[in-house]
Amino acid sequence: DAKTTQPNSMESNEEEPVHLPCNHSTISGTDYIHWYRQLPSQGPEYVIHGLTSNVNNRMASLAIAEDRKSSTLILHRATLRDAAVYYCILLYSGGGADGLTFGKGTHLIIQP
Amino acid sequence: DTEVTQTPKHLVMGMTNKKSLKCEQHMGHRAMYWYKQKAKKPPELMFVYSYEKLSINESVPSRFSPECPNSSLLNLHLHALQPEDSALYLCASSQVGQFLYGYTFGSGTRLTVV
Repeated sequence: DAKTTQPNSMESNEEEPVHLPCNHSTISGTDYIHWYRQLPSQGPEYVIHGLTSNVNNRMASLAIAEDRKSSTLILHRATLRDAAVYYCILLYSGGGADGLTFGKGTHLIIQP
Repeated sequence: DTEVTQTPKHLVMGMTNKKSLKCEQHMGHRAMYWYKQKAKKPPELMFVYSYEKLSINESVPSRFSPECPNSSLLNLHLHALQPEDSALYLCASSQVGQFLYGYTFGSGTRLTVV
């Protein structure tokens, strides 16, 4: 399985944008890039996903490098409620129900 | 309904007890999953059910026994557990072609084995 690399932790201030990087240099053309987050004492929550083009939804934006070897999750205006562990995960599009393989993720700390 | 509901939220059991965890979803998802999460670690996949049939068992000890009675319900039967099995047990569901859609997770059952 293609792997992802994320920083262990990042810190940001409330109401400022946050850019969470993810490296996936061995990504294949059939892998989708998914992001999930896990707030304290909760199950993981789907954030966003993409294949090649940048994507936006109500929670965040996903910027994908042209060579697809890296991506960045962008939280446009962080709040204290965005403090969580963020996971970048590759999903093979040729699979059925394979399950998510979580790495260590990035622990995002938001300062008031 | 866009939720995965897990019961109970907390469970304390002795090593000789038999208990069951329950997971329910009504989103029409045909894939359901059990994960185990130890403190400050990422979730680890245990079992995958696809169209109510067990498709993946990640070498989980036999003291954990999954069951999928129908497309909306997933159970995890527990028997003769060890203290090191204490963890947060998470259930999730998805469309079978999950790369196009997100997974939906429940809030988990926090299990303590004494």
